Amino acid sequence: ETGVTQSPTHLIKTRGQQVTLRCSSQSGHNTVSWYQQALGQGPQFIFQYYREEENGRGNFPPRFSGLQFPNYSSELNVNALELDDSALYLCASSLRVLSNSVSKNIQYFGAGTRLSVL
Amino acid sequence: SQQGEEDPQALSIQEGENATMNCSYKTSINNLQWYRQNSGRGLVHLILIRSNEREKHSGRLRVTLDTSKKSSSLLITASRAADTASYFCATDGKGGSEKLVFGKGTKLTVNP
Repeated sequence: ETGVTQSPTHLIKTRGQQVTLRCSSQSGHNTVSWYQQALGQGPQFIFQYYREEENGRGNFPPRFSGLQFPNYSSELNVNALELDDSALYLCASSLRVLSNSVSKNIQYFGAGTRLSVL
Repeated sequence: SQQGEEDPQALSIQEGENATMNCSYKTSINNLQWYRQNSGRGLVHLILIRSNEREKHSGRLRVTLDTSKKSSSLLITASRAADTASYFCATDGKGGSEKLVFGKGTKLTVNP
């Protein structure tokens, strides 16, 4: 168990709808990253939040948005759902330490939310 | 887009045999990590190797890194049926980005 929890575990939506996915990070972590994993593929980076600010974004359209809260939990929102948004959405938490040395950047993943868009 | 490729895409072996998976990547890196995923669930971190390291061991796992060839390998010795999973390499790049860039993974099946 990584201590990272995601909800819901499964979700079915129809095209054009909006969805919110939630993630509680591991205690002591200050950074949350979201990934999309299509069937048979590796995870693709959506964005990362560090201390409530977006800290990097992958190649995803603006209808993918996020939030990080003061307790470091996070939400992923997707508007105007498309069929291709069907995937496993993974949240990962980590501890980012600003220093001169390179961080290890080990990320701890939740079990994911399986989203199906019909 | 994916950073690189794992090779092979699928591997089937008998319990007790060794399994070797390879990973290639495209850009300069800080670290390379290997993760494991069971049946479309969350990923579990296995091992990290820094760009200035060449080999790392953890239990039955051995990772090598060749930055001149931009490649890494993961060796699992004395495999068990419980090792059946998909294995992904992930890199994080130089320049301050902390995102992980994953390959497409190797699906390992260990037959009892």
